[in-house]
Amino acid sequence: GQNIDQPTEMTATEGAIVQINCTYQTSGFNGLFWYQQHAGEAPTFLSYNVLDGLEEKGRFSSFLSRSKGYSYLLLKELQMKDSASYLCAVREGETGANNLFFGTGTRLTVIP
Amino acid sequence: NAGVTQTPKFRVLKTGQSMTLLCAQDMNHEYMYWYRQDPGMGLRLIHYSVGEGTTAKGEVPDGYNVSRLKKQNFLLGLESAAPSQTSVYFCASSLTRGSPLHFGNGTRLTVT
Repeated sequence: GQNIDQPTEMTATEGAIVQINCTYQTSGFNGLFWYQQHAGEAPTFLSYNVLDGLEEKGRFSSFLSRSKGYSYLLLKELQMKDSASYLCAVREGETGANNLFFGTGTRLTVIP
Repeated sequence: NAGVTQTPKFRVLKTGQSMTLLCAQDMNHEYMYWYRQDPGMGLRLIHYSVGEGTTAKGEVPDGYNVSRLKKQNFLLGLESAAPSQTSVYFCASSLTRGSPLHFGNGTRLTVT
């Protein structure tokens, strides 16, 4: 099974840096995804970590520690358009389909 | 390039009615998925398909059926709708098992 935890809501200021944490407990960990979802829209892929360490992609970075069951998404130089929900998803197992389990999401509000 | 297209966007059903949600993708992806998203619960996998002619159950398959007669289409059926099936339904596809998911824009279903 799996247990994925992330904060429900966060607020940050335009231009600042924000870190969204995700902890998980799972059997057969096989990668962690971050998705962005604006209200009323589809989730869109942001990043993927399967090995420990930091993955950087422009203003967004994602970190993974498999031994701690922990990941974070770091958003730099926040813009108003970054106001959205951020979904942490853990891939589990070697068989079947993606077996992707999603957290409940963190709703980020960026204020001027 | 349309990506993943879902129809309809909105639907209201009465308890006991049936309907089919259509998902079409033009990216030649092998894997297709149906998720439901409910407040406070995150995305949950209903059914998935690893290729044309195949289907399999996800986390919450009860009350739903699916078919994948053509590679580009994945249909989700509700034979006898219940209020508990009020939700936002997302279709997704991926090129391989480990690839990021590409989501459609969702179908908001209300069962009264």
